[in-house]
Amino acid sequence: DAKTTQPPSMDCAEGRAANLPCNHSTISGNEYVYWYRQIHSQGPQYIIHGLKNNETNEMASLIITEDRKSSTLILPHATLRDTAVYYCIVRVGNDMRFGAGTRLTVKP
Amino acid sequence: AAGVIQSPRHLIKEKRETATLKCYPIPRHDTVYWYQQGPGQDPQFLISFYEKMQSDKGSIPDRFSAQQFSDYHSELNMSSLELGDSALYFCASSLGGSFLAGSSYNEQFFGPGTRLTVL
Repeated sequence: DAKTTQPPSMDCAEGRAANLPCNHSTISGNEYVYWYRQIHSQGPQYIIHGLKNNETNEMASLIITEDRKSSTLILPHATLRDTAVYYCIVRVGNDMRFGAGTRLTVKP
Repeated sequence: AAGVIQSPRHLIKEKRETATLKCYPIPRHDTVYWYQQGPGQDPQFLISFYEKMQSDKGSIPDRFSAQQFSDYHSELNMSSLELGDSALYFCASSLGGSFLAGSSYNEQFFGPGTRLTVL
């Protein structure tokens, strides 16, 4: 599985967009990019996934660069409840391998 | 909507004892995953089952075993418990099919976890 690199922590002001980057320079052609988040000691929660096209759902948008070596998760209007650890996972298959994510803190 | 159910929610055991954790997937979900999350660590994938067969294996110790039953619930059996087994154990379920065979990805829904403390 491709290795991912995320900043360990980020802050965001409430109501502003949160842009969480992820580098996956060794991604292979059939690997998908997944984003999950974990709110303090709760079970991780699926956010979004994509292969090469940008994706959007009710929670977030996923922007994948053309060379697929990096991606950005965008929470368009962050709320205090979005404070969590966000995991970027690159994988083929259903089983998630969680690495070190980004701890996003949304501040009032 | 029904969610993944895990029992018990909390469990305290002594070293060298055994423990059994149970997971009841969302109705109609046929795939179950087990994860272990130690204190201050990220979740680590242990094992998964699809249609009662083991589908993938991660960093599950040999002292642990798991199975999925005909009603799709799953049990994680842990023997010779060690202090380092103290962790949150998450179960997740999804509507399966073989992703590698081309079926679409189905998101995993996680349960609330079982907190195991080994003394």
